[in-house]
Amino acid sequence: DQQVKQNSPSLSVQEGRISILNCDYTNSMFDYFLWYKKYPAEGPTFLISISSIKDKNEDGRFTVFLNKSAKHLSLHIVPSQPGDSAVYFCAATTGNQFYFGTGTSLTVIP
Amino acid sequence: DTAVSQTPKYLVTQMGNDKSIKCEQNLGHDTMYWYKQDSKKFLKIMFSYNNKELIINETVPNRFSPKSPDKAHLNLHINSLELGDSAVYFCASSHRQLTYNEQFFGPGTRLTVL
Repeated sequence: DQQVKQNSPSLSVQEGRISILNCDYTNSMFDYFLWYKKYPAEGPTFLISISSIKDKNEDGRFTVFLNKSAKHLSLHIVPSQPGDSAVYFCAATTGNQFYFGTGTSLTVIP
Repeated sequence: DTAVSQTPKYLVTQMGNDKSIKCEQNLGHDTMYWYKQDSKKFLKIMFSYNNKELIINETVPNRFSPKSPDKAHLNLHINSLELGDSAVYFCASSHRQLTYNEQFFGPGTRLTVL
């Protein structure tokens, strides 16, 4: 029962362009949605999040959009930089329950 | 200073053995977690502890048992290891006062069962 899904296992983007990572969920009771970034041989690192009562949250080059009617959220990175190359996990939480997607591997080409 | 640390980083062992993975956090967080990332990269929560109480216990085999001697530590004990236990295990911590209850992860322990 995968409540959070990332259907694109990988994404390649040219440096300076926009990266858009997508995430879908099934449980309308989720309170918060989070994005984590993971480099090889390291643990995931919290990147940005959004409350279920909002539709947009921005932090520097990173913006997360939430479409509750479609149960969809996306992470926009602009401009993309080579250092952004990593695996990005979408996560959703309600109470003490956490659910992660399977990740999208982003490669930013210099 | 490392916020969430795990030892060992790599663990190779034979089927049937018993092993432990240690986790420590120096963030003053009140909740700690164990996650398993399998070969399909699916990151699934196994346990969490809040003030020494188990508050989440997903359907994991009872060969896995978390032990928390204090708020800063949550160790994972695995008995009678099986081939399917091979995975990367991540420890994490969080605090209820954090706005989004975001979690801070350790570097992971790669367990290989032969």
